[in-house]
Amino acid sequence: KNEVEQSPQNLTAQEGEFITINCSYSVGISALHWLQQHPGGGIVSLFMLSSGKKKHGRLIATINIQEKHSSLHITASHPRDSAVYICAVPSLDSNYQLIWGAGTKLIIKP
Amino acid sequence: EAQVTQNPRYLITVTGKKLTVTCSQNMNHEYMSWYRQDPGLGLRQIYYSMNVEVTDKGDVPEGYKVSRKEKRNFPLILESPSPNQTSLYFCATTAGGHGEQFFGPGTRLTVL
Repeated sequence: KNEVEQSPQNLTAQEGEFITINCSYSVGISALHWLQQHPGGGIVSLFMLSSGKKKHGRLIATINIQEKHSSLHITASHPRDSAVYICAVPSLDSNYQLIWGAGTKLIIKP
Repeated sequence: EAQVTQNPRYLITVTGKKLTVTCSQNMNHEYMSWYRQDPGLGLRQIYYSMNVEVTDKGDVPEGYKVSRKEKRNFPLILESPSPNQTSLYFCATTAGGHGEQFFGPGTRLTVL
């Protein structure tokens, strides 16, 4: 069974800081997901990546398949980036299930 | 606009009173699922459906039922709710099982 670990669990930073959130998994995968959960509860997909790097605005996701590790970076962080960031990887036991990380709660102070 | 809708968004009920949380998607996706989210535990899958009339248990199916009579709808049924089912519930859909996930807005359920 694939295991997913995120770090840190909680992160508080000042506005403008460069943020890194990490996700490690135990078994080779085809793709990894990063999602964002707003304080109001809604969950949105940020990235799905299987290699290299993807960028969307101030968010950058990278993945190292050999090291079974992915990072989510936020440049020039802003209080509106405050959210829980969740990574997920495909289950090895099912074509239809994902294994979810516990999430990283990010707070950006003005 | 592509969307996943859930109703109700908030519900307070009492133990044993049957309830249904509806989920509907307009993306013509075959795959839909239900999750519950509890503090410190992250998302846990309750049930999922690969297509109409095809459903399967997730990680925490006890106390829940689902049905998939139409492609767009995937209701979650609690026949006899108990306080340990107090949680935040999400419906989600994807075009393919491991593909990009689209979530509904969530239903916050409190069972007294």
